[in-house]
Amino acid sequence: NAGVTQTPKFRVLKTGQSMTLLCAQDMNHEYMYWYRQDPGMGLRLIHYSVGEGTTAKGEVPDGYNVSRLKKQNFLLGLESAAPSQTSVYFCASSYVGGTGQETQYFGPGTRLLVL
Amino acid sequence: GQNIDQPTEMTATEGAIVQINCTYQTSGFNGLFWYQQHAGEAPTFLSYNVLDGLEEKGRFSSFLSRSKGYSYLLLKELQMKDSASYLCAVRDSNYQLIWGAGTKLIIKP
Repeated sequence: NAGVTQTPKFRVLKTGQSMTLLCAQDMNHEYMYWYRQDPGMGLRLIHYSVGEGTTAKGEVPDGYNVSRLKKQNFLLGLESAAPSQTSVYFCASSYVGGTGQETQYFGPGTRLLVL
Repeated sequence: GQNIDQPTEMTATEGAIVQINCTYQTSGFNGLFWYQQHAGEAPTFLSYNVLDGLEEKGRFSSFLSRSKGYSYLLLKELQMKDSASYLCAVRDSNYQLIWGAGTKLIIKP
């Protein structure tokens, strides 16, 4: 089991460029999430998905789009990158256990620098 | 608004005990999580509390008081590898996770 994987690990973009971050999980989890983590701040939810073909906005969705065409993949797109989107992006997946506990499992992160 | 408060940084000595506090104000409560995050790495799950009381898991224990909006993570017999950030997160009434900024724990020999 690879768990949750993310590609790329690191990327430098110029303002206005576009890119897609890929998240893949092999645990058959229904729920998937995209977060950004900035110094001195907690993880902030960008978008999430509760199942294949469904997505929803999180706390900070502006400037990002997502797609969940396959259960195992969750893509995060930046249409026109801005310096404010310089951050570390984490993908997570989860399932709800028998006790109702939902634990999120995180990928290794993508470090994005927008110049 | 929703808020999770944790100390920014704490220092402790190898072999000692440290308690990391977390207070929260959220719209509803559906469980509290503690995660560990080493520098440059992903967060990893440590503990989950949904009922009041203490949950013990080896050297780590987590306590919850829902009436006080308070939790703590207790680390015993500290090891150098415990140097990391510890993130507190609360699931609110919409089942969204609200994250604290994390507490950076520095262990000194």
